[in-house]
Amino acid sequence: DQQVKQNSPSLSVQEGRISILNCDYTNSMFDYFLWYKKYPAEGPTFLISISSIKDKNEDGRFTVFLNKSAKHLSLHIVPSQPGDSAVYFCAASYSNTGNQFYFGTGTSLTVIP
Amino acid sequence: DSGVTQTPKHLITATGQRVTLRCSPRSGDLSVYWYQQSLDQGLQFLIQYYNGEERAKGNILERFSAQQFPDLHSELNLSSLELGDSALYFCASSVELGPNYGYTFGSGTRLTVV
Repeated sequence: DQQVKQNSPSLSVQEGRISILNCDYTNSMFDYFLWYKKYPAEGPTFLISISSIKDKNEDGRFTVFLNKSAKHLSLHIVPSQPGDSAVYFCAASYSNTGNQFYFGTGTSLTVIP
Repeated sequence: DSGVTQTPKHLITATGQRVTLRCSPRSGDLSVYWYQQSLDQGLQFLIQYYNGEERAKGNILERFSAQQFPDLHSELNLSSLELGDSALYFCASSVELGPNYGYTFGSGTRLTVV
């Protein structure tokens, strides 16, 4: 049972434009969310996180938005750069599971120069 | 280099065999996690250790086992291998417990069962 879903397997965006990656979850107990970026032949690397007490968190070009009522979060990358081309995973956790995260299946982002 | 070391990087073995995957966590990290990524799947949580003790179990098959040693490195043992066990196996580590501590992942071991 996939509790975290990324329904878009791939996304292509022109350099300089906004990239929006979406993630939906089913478990209303999730209270912490992260985005990871993964390049080929490397492990995922942490990008940005958000707690359920917030609805937005920014870090440079990356902003994560959380809509708890819709059980939806999104990652905005502005402006998109070719080096952002990677697979992006969203992940969710809830306090009772310690540090166990549930991952989505990933969205492959291609930024076209 | 993330600081989390996984060996081997690639492994090809036959059905029915047993393999051991090794993970050395980032220096200072006490928690180790194992995840499996099959084709077109997200990362599936297998098991977590904290300072040598098992803390959480996910979708880990009975044919799989793991342990964390006193020096904090961890091994994932996969036995009676089946074709469906072919996947990327990631190890991750974190300094503490709790969801506010993101993981640091290794680069993974790609297991191919033929």
